[in-house]
Amino acid sequence: NAGVTQTPKFQVLKTGQSMTLQCAQDMNHEYMSWYRQDPGMGLRLIHYSVGAGITDQGEVPNGYNVSRSTTEDFPLRLLSAAPSQTSVYFCASSYRGGGAFFGQGTRLTVV
Amino acid sequence: AQSVTQPDIHITVSEGASLELRCNYSYGATPYLFWYVQSPGQGLQLLLKYFSGDTLVQGIKGFEAEFKRSQSSFNLRKPSVHWSDAAEYFCAVGARNRDDKIIFGKGTRLHILP
Repeated sequence: NAGVTQTPKFQVLKTGQSMTLQCAQDMNHEYMSWYRQDPGMGLRLIHYSVGAGITDQGEVPNGYNVSRSTTEDFPLRLLSAAPSQTSVYFCASSYRGGGAFFGQGTRLTVV
Repeated sequence: AQSVTQPDIHITVSEGASLELRCNYSYGATPYLFWYVQSPGQGLQLLLKYFSGDTLVQGIKGFEAEFKRSQSSFNLRKPSVHWSDAAEYFCAVGARNRDDKIIFGKGTRLHILP
């Protein structure tokens, strides 16, 4: 049972480039979320989804897009990368009251 | 909207000593509450959660936490820490509504003295 799988694990982008971080879960959880982790800031919620076709903004949504066409997949798109988006990104899935199950993270550097 | 405060950025304890990490939350009703641990360079692991019922919750690795509604707190405790407990600990609050949104605190880094 793979749980939550994120790809890639590491990525370097140039300012202005776009890219998609992939996230897939095989636990049939209805909820999925994206967080970014920065030193001293904890994990901040970027976007989340309560089911296929439904997404909503979190605490820090600017510069990111998401979509949820299936229960399993929840990709995060960086539209035009900026150095301020250098961070570690975590995808998570959850069921009501169960807490978040995290992927292993993507370390993104924007130069 | 919910929020979480972890007042201590760093905590240092001696190996074998007891530990308490503080967590205060803000939410309009009784939330779901969680503690996670993150070892250096690793992902996040769920230590324990409060869903309902008994306010003293037991978790993995010998940790426990107590939900105190009157103080809006969910402090994490361990009677005797081990060097392997050195890590960063995050408290999180989940909404008891349709969106199940989970918000995290900024974390407390635990250092263990030999």
